[in-house]
Amino acid sequence: EPEVTQTPSHQVTQMGQEVILRCVPISNHLYFYWYRQILGQKVEFLVSFYNNEISEKSEIFDDQFSVERPDGSNFTLKIRSTKLEDSAMYFCASIGGQSYEQYFGPGTRLTVT
Amino acid sequence: KQEVTQIPAALSVPEGENLVLNCSFTDSAIYNLQWFRQDPGKGLTSLLLIQSSQREQTSGRLNASLDKSSGRSTLYIAASQPGDSATYLCAAPEFTSYGKLTFGQGTILTVHP
Repeated sequence: EPEVTQTPSHQVTQMGQEVILRCVPISNHLYFYWYRQILGQKVEFLVSFYNNEISEKSEIFDDQFSVERPDGSNFTLKIRSTKLEDSAMYFCASIGGQSYEQYFGPGTRLTVT
Repeated sequence: KQEVTQIPAALSVPEGENLVLNCSFTDSAIYNLQWFRQDPGKGLTSLLLIQSSQREQTSGRLNASLDKSSGRSTLYIAASQPGDSATYLCAAPEFTSYGKLTFGQGTILTVHP
C-alpha cells in the first residue's frame, strides 16, 4: 500500500541552525501539508501546498519557515534559524482522489538544543 | 474557525469492554471527518474517514458515526483489547480550506488485561 515517508526520523540541531525536513508524499497525490505536534499538545496545521504554491498557512508559519517541492517526488519544510520552541514532531501529509482522505507520514522528531 | 473537542481526555477499561469516544466540532459545514490512532512517540494512523453524506463507517471492531447537525462524531470500539491502547484523535476540516485539518486533543485509551 502506498505510504507517505519522511526523513530523518529524528533530527537534533542547535538553536539558530537551519534544518530541512523531507517528505515523499504518495505519488499521485496533489495536495500536501505540514503539521507539527509539540510534546503533549494538539497536532497543529502549519501549511498547505498545491500546484507548486502555498494554499494556506497558519500563524505559526512565519518567515522562518518555507516549503518547497524541488522535484516531482520530494516535499520539504525548511526552518531557517531554529528556536528552542521549534522542538516538536513534524508530520507531512497528502491528499489524493475523491475521498479527500489525508494520509500522514511517520513524522520527524526535531529537537533544538 | 473550526474547533474540535474530545471527551473523555483519558479512559481506562478492562479488556473486552465496549467503549465510546466522543468528538465535537464547531463548524458543521464539513465534507468529512477522520479518526486517527497515535501510539506514543509515533505517527498518525488513519482509522476511519466518514464523508459528510454518511452517518456511519465501520472497519472491523471500529464504528464511527457522524451527526453534522449537532456537530458530533463518536468512535465505538467493540470488545476492546490491550493492543487498542493508544491515543485516538478526531480531526475535522474547515469548509473554506482545502484539506486543512483541525485536531482534537485526543482521548488516551488504556485497555488492561
